[in-house]
Amino acid sequence: DAKTTQPTSMDCAEGRAANLPCNHSTISGNEYVYWYRQIHSQGPQYIIHGLKNNETNEMASLIITEDRKSSTLILPHATLRDTAVYYCIVRVGYGGATNKLIFGTGTLLAVQP
Amino acid sequence: DAMVIQNPRYQVTQFGKPVTLSCSQTLNHNVMYWYQQKSSQAPKLLFHYYDKDFNNEADTPDNFQSRRPNTSFCFLDIRSPGLGDAAMYLCATSRGQVDTDTQYFGPGTRLTVL
Repeated sequence: DAKTTQPTSMDCAEGRAANLPCNHSTISGNEYVYWYRQIHSQGPQYIIHGLKNNETNEMASLIITEDRKSSTLILPHATLRDTAVYYCIVRVGYGGATNKLIFGTGTLLAVQP
Repeated sequence: DAMVIQNPRYQVTQFGKPVTLSCSQTLNHNVMYWYQQKSSQAPKLLFHYYDKDFNNEADTPDNFQSRRPNTSFCFLDIRSPGLGDAAMYLCATSRGQVDTDTQYFGPGTRLTVL
């Protein structure tokens, strides 16, 4: 089972920041939080990941709470092309050199013109 | 550009007729994954290869098999497709690092079973 919970859907006005929350209250100390998105009929696209510290890249920012039980993905200036299902995933390690992504239901972000 | 390629993008097969889906990668990654995504559901991992080592998920039906003849290619074989196997099949790759390891997905193959 997925170790994360997310709202089913959210709306955001074009040009505004989109803040997508995620709860992962059972996360372990060495587990990473990953965010992917899936635009309709395409493969999931990697966005960002983090362990403890806040992270930023050209696509988004990831804010992780100090207790690591929740996080927020921020798209600073949402566009219509950001409409997609956003998945927050806690990576479960095999104990070896591979990882396992267990997708939850995700959040459908609808960016409105 | 380095990428994950899936062919074909759309595949139609008949009930019970074996079908093979193909995935190739130019990333030179150690790990290749196959996911199944049914309509309005999240992707679900079927199995993965770390190099030549095959790792099956416990709930993957025996009807699904996989082959990885070399680093670049991986195949998904469905021996006797049923109507319930209609789905998007996603291939992904990763380096296979212990700590931080990002998976990169292909565009998917949409399978229709008639």
